[in-house]
Amino acid sequence: DQQVKQNSPSLSVQEGRISILNCDYTNSMFDYFLWYKKYPAEGPTFLISISSIKDKNEDGRFTVFLNKSAKHLSLHIVPSQPGDSAVYFCAAAGFQKLVFGTGTRLLVSP
Amino acid sequence: EAGVTQFPSHSVIEKGQTVTLRCDPISGHDNLYWYRRVMGKEIKFLLHFVKESKQDESGMPNNRFLAERTGGTYSTLKVQPAELEDSGVYFCASSQGSGGSYEQYFGPGTRLTVT
Repeated sequence: DQQVKQNSPSLSVQEGRISILNCDYTNSMFDYFLWYKKYPAEGPTFLISISSIKDKNEDGRFTVFLNKSAKHLSLHIVPSQPGDSAVYFCAAAGFQKLVFGTGTRLLVSP
Repeated sequence: EAGVTQFPSHSVIEKGQTVTLRCDPISGHDNLYWYRRVMGKEIKFLLHFVKESKQDESGMPNNRFLAERTGGTYSTLKVQPAELEDSGVYFCASSQGSGGSYEQYFGPGTRLTVT
């Protein structure tokens, strides 16, 4: 019973274009959502987060949108750069632990 | 500031053997978490320490797994005896705050292979 789902295992985008990564969750008790980025042989690195009381949070090229009624969030990267190529994990926070999705592998080609 | 460190980076053991993984959190972080990722699936929560106390161990798979956090500093995760399905990458994370924090800092992980 997966509470956080990332239905796209991979995404390919050209440099300079927008990357949109999606995430769905089932538990309405989650009150905070995070995106982590992971390079091979490294641990996940925190990227950006959003509280459940907000619908948008922006940090430079990264913006996270939250649609609570649809239990859906998305990460927008614009413009995408080759260095953004990594696996992106969506995570939901509840009861002091993180529940992760399976990840989406983003490939940004020059 | 040093990040979360984990040792070893890789471990290959035979079924039935024992393995101990170590995690050193960021200095001053009261919260320490263990997670595991199996075969490209999601990263799954195992347990959460606040200082030396186990706050939540609901994710521990079974009693073959034993976690300790001596003196509220580093933590060890022992698997005894190891089974094939224990293979995966074990991540440790830490965060500030007595009540737990949403932003957790992860170590590089220990890749465990049980043959």
